[in-house]
Amino acid sequence: ELKVEQNPLFLSMQEGKNYTIYCNYSTTSDRLYWYRQDPGKSLESLFVLLSNGAVKQEGRLMASLDTKARLSTLHITAAVHDLSATYFCAVCRIESGANSKLTFGKGITLSVRP
Amino acid sequence: EAGVTQSPTHLIKTRGQQATLRCSPISGHTSVYWYQQALGLGLQFLLWYDEGEERNRGNFPPRFSGRQFPNYSSELNVNALELEDSALYLCARGTSGKPQETQYFGPGTRLLVL
Repeated sequence: ELKVEQNPLFLSMQEGKNYTIYCNYSTTSDRLYWYRQDPGKSLESLFVLLSNGAVKQEGRLMASLDTKARLSTLHITAAVHDLSATYFCAVCRIESGANSKLTFGKGITLSVRP
Repeated sequence: EAGVTQSPTHLIKTRGQQATLRCSPISGHTSVYWYQQALGLGLQFLLWYDEGEERNRGNFPPRFSGRQFPNYSSELNVNALELEDSALYLCARGTSGKPQETQYFGPGTRLLVL
C-alpha cells in the first residue's frame, strides 16, 4: 500500500529565512501534488508535479520531484507570515481498473514568526 | 475558485443517528471524491463517484455510503454515527474522470458527533 510521509510535522520559521520541507512516498507514483490548508478552511491546490526532475514555482514557493528517490521538496524563500498554513503532499498511483486514488501525507504545519 | 459547494457547513448529531452531507461540483464535472479529515489522522479517501457510479472506495465500514445524482451532485451518508466520525468531510471535484487529475476541494462539512 502506498504510504506518504511528510517531515517535519511542524516547523516554526523566522520571517525572511529560507526553509525546505519534504515529502517521501513508498512506491512508484505517477504524479505528486502539493496543497495548502489554512486553519478551518479547505484545501487549495498549489502544484502538480508530473515527472522526474519537475520543478514548479509560485511566488516564494518552489516544488520539485525526484521520482528515483521518491521524494518531493517544497522550498520556501524568505518566509513571510502569509505562508503560515498546513501543507499537504499527495501522491496518485495509477492502478488497474478503478483502484487509483490520491493518498495524502499527514501535512506539515508552518508557522512564521517575526 | 474551487467550483465545489458543500452543505451544510456544520452538522451536529448524536451517536447512533444518521448524517447526510451534500456536494455539488460546477457544471460539466462528472467526478466527485469524498475525504474524511479527522484530527490527527490526516485526509483519508472515502469514496469516488463518476458518471453516477461508485468507482472506488477507501477503507471505511459499509455504514459510510453515498450516491451521485444525474446532475453529478453527490450525497454522503453516514449511518449509526460513532464519536470517532467527528471530522471535517471534504468533497473534491475532478477534471477528467480520472483520480490522477488535480482535485479541487470544497469548503467542507464539519460533523460533530456527541
